[in-house]
Amino acid sequence: AQSVTQLGSHVSVSEGALVLLRCNYSSSVPPYLFWYVQYPNQGLQLLLKYTTGATLVKGINGFEAEFKKSETSFHLTKPSAHMSDAAEYFCAVSFSGNTGKLIFGQGTTLQVKP
Amino acid sequence: DAGVIQSPRHEVTEMGQEVTLRCKPISGHNSLFWYRQTMMRGLELLIYFNNNVPIDDSGMPEDRFSAKMPNASFSTLKIQPSEPRDSAVYFCASTPGQPSYEQYFGPGTRLTVT
Repeated sequence: AQSVTQLGSHVSVSEGALVLLRCNYSSSVPPYLFWYVQYPNQGLQLLLKYTTGATLVKGINGFEAEFKKSETSFHLTKPSAHMSDAAEYFCAVSFSGNTGKLIFGQGTTLQVKP
Repeated sequence: DAGVIQSPRHEVTEMGQEVTLRCKPISGHNSLFWYRQTMMRGLELLIYFNNNVPIDDSGMPEDRFSAKMPNASFSTLKIQPSEPRDSAVYFCASTPGQPSYEQYFGPGTRLTVT
């Protein structure tokens, strides 16, 4: 069975500071991993994804994430937070051969303080 | 492509009334998902279809909820009769499947049952 755990339901950073949102997964098969962002009153939007190949993946808006198999982690980072990054972020896992179902984490709300 | 289209964007109805939410997935996508999002329960998968066939409806909360996908370009989620606790944002998402299974979300329907 697959599962996703996001550590911290709320994260607060100052503008310009490092953003680190944590995601750990459990999967008995090689995972496909995703980060989605949801701005207020909008649907979820894909930030980045890992399927195979390079373990450091870059996404939109300056975000990146690194797949670490040994740690079963896929943490999301951004070197310098911007006020516009305030949103809810979801980590999700799937796997090859699945019909596309994603297992989502509980979500982390990022607050950016001026 | 216009993306995933949902209608209506907002729906206010009285308890006991029938509610029908509609979704048009992205052309060529072969899987479609219905989610519900509330503050209390977060993002929940209700049901998903693959090639118009329901694959997993274990997330449908009660018999009051039903979903159909009569063809590849249209799906409905019906609640009959509606109750105040059904108030939520309902999202539809679609995916092309292989190779990466990323899901594309619609803007959501905000349902309020009074």
